[in-house]
Amino acid sequence: GAGVSQSPSNKVTEKGKDVELRCDPISGHTALYWYRQSLGQGLEFLIYFQGNSAPDKSGLPSDRFSAERTGGSVSTLTIQRTQQEDSAVYLCASSFSFAGANVLTFGAGSRLTVL
Amino acid sequence: AQSVTQLGSHVSVSEGALVLLRCNYSSSVPPYLFWYVQYPNQGLQLLLKYTTGATLVKGINGFEAEFKKSETSFHLTKPSAHMSDAAEYFCAVSDSGGGADGLTFGKGTHLIIQP
Repeated sequence: GAGVSQSPSNKVTEKGKDVELRCDPISGHTALYWYRQSLGQGLEFLIYFQGNSAPDKSGLPSDRFSAERTGGSVSTLTIQRTQQEDSAVYLCASSFSFAGANVLTFGAGSRLTVL
Repeated sequence: AQSVTQLGSHVSVSEGALVLLRCNYSSSVPPYLFWYVQYPNQGLQLLLKYTTGATLVKGINGFEAEFKKSETSFHLTKPSAHMSDAAEYFCAVSDSGGGADGLTFGKGTHLIIQP
């Protein structure tokens, strides 16, 4: 597609439920990133994929968070047993190759509210 | 390890006045530096970037930034503010050494334009 597409744009869930957030990157972009944006906290790096592989998962906040990418395209960020502190905007970005000097193109984000 | 410090979580200027948003970074390798802008309910959009070469970088919407290695700074300026410039601005650094951390962002500066 022309841009990075994320769904859902808004998600309200109850504490303890599982949620899945989807990211569809720009066609041909091999690198994909997930960030979390919390009020007043800036952007927190979560995970990076090169193709379908995530070399480093240490940025994920807890073992309730997982992410996968299939076919070198769509990625899903899953949060199990959601907690109120998971409420944030989750941003996905893609780039032609690994960051370095390459520009990241961001989606509009998925706003998660955990009640 | 990299880090970015943006001085001032909120900056207010009058329409037509100079805009100056401050960014200082730390990096153990020569950095790549970026400024992104985020309008309400939208993803981040690249304003400008510095990789190598000329230290004064011009971006979109009349913004520019100067890389000063001796001061480890990459401040963003615009000679004359417009109401449409009201947004959140993020400075970011990337590891030119090819680390797998993606971009490291500052906490952002909310730019307010007074009529």
